[in-house]
Amino acid sequence: AQKVTQTQTSISVMEKTTVTMDCVYETQDSSYFLFWYKQTASGEIVFLIRQDSYKKENATVGHYSLNFQKPKSSIGLIITATQIEDSAVYFCAMREGDSGTYQRFGTGTKLQVVP
Amino acid sequence: DTTVKQNPRYKLARVGKPVNLICSQTMNHDTMYWYQKKPNQAPKLLLFYYDKILNREADTFEKFQSSRPNNSFCSLYIGSAGLEYSAMYLCASSLGQYNYAEQFFGPGTRLTVL
Repeated sequence: AQKVTQTQTSISVMEKTTVTMDCVYETQDSSYFLFWYKQTASGEIVFLIRQDSYKKENATVGHYSLNFQKPKSSIGLIITATQIEDSAVYFCAMREGDSGTYQRFGTGTKLQVVP
Repeated sequence: DTTVKQNPRYKLARVGKPVNLICSQTMNHDTMYWYQKKPNQAPKLLLFYYDKILNREADTFEKFQSSRPNNSFCSLYIGSAGLEYSAMYLCASSLGQYNYAEQFFGPGTRLTVL
């Protein structure tokens, strides 16, 4: 069965620094897709970035990038040059490619960016 | 237009009373999902429609019902609300046939059961 774990419940960083949020997953499938979403203070959840298990290159979108360590079943989200508006809850999710019909989410990491 | 809309945004219900939540999307997505979100917890999938086929999670099978009269609309129905139903209910949609497709979320309906 698939499982997604985010052990960091809350992180606080200074503005303009780089932060990494951890996520580990469990799956029996050889093919799977990993997602990161952001939930803002208003409650809106938006998709940020995706990593396909068969790709070796780490995905990058804007100032978001991923640290995909397949042997460790780990997919970290890296935010560079953090801004105040990056303060939010970040969710990791996984969908299995062979047997999955939906995404399973982690419990989220709350990021606070301070001036 | 990549928005998912939900109505109402806030709902107050009495214990034992029914609750009906509405979701719509205009992206022609084949799959629509309903999640329950409580503070400090992961979004919990309640059910989803892939086209006209309803899939419900085993542990919430009898607690929630849903209908999808057309591709754009999907409802979530609680027949008899209990205190434990107080939560944010999130609707999402995606091209579910593609495993790599991201989900688009609505703003949520905050349900408070008294």
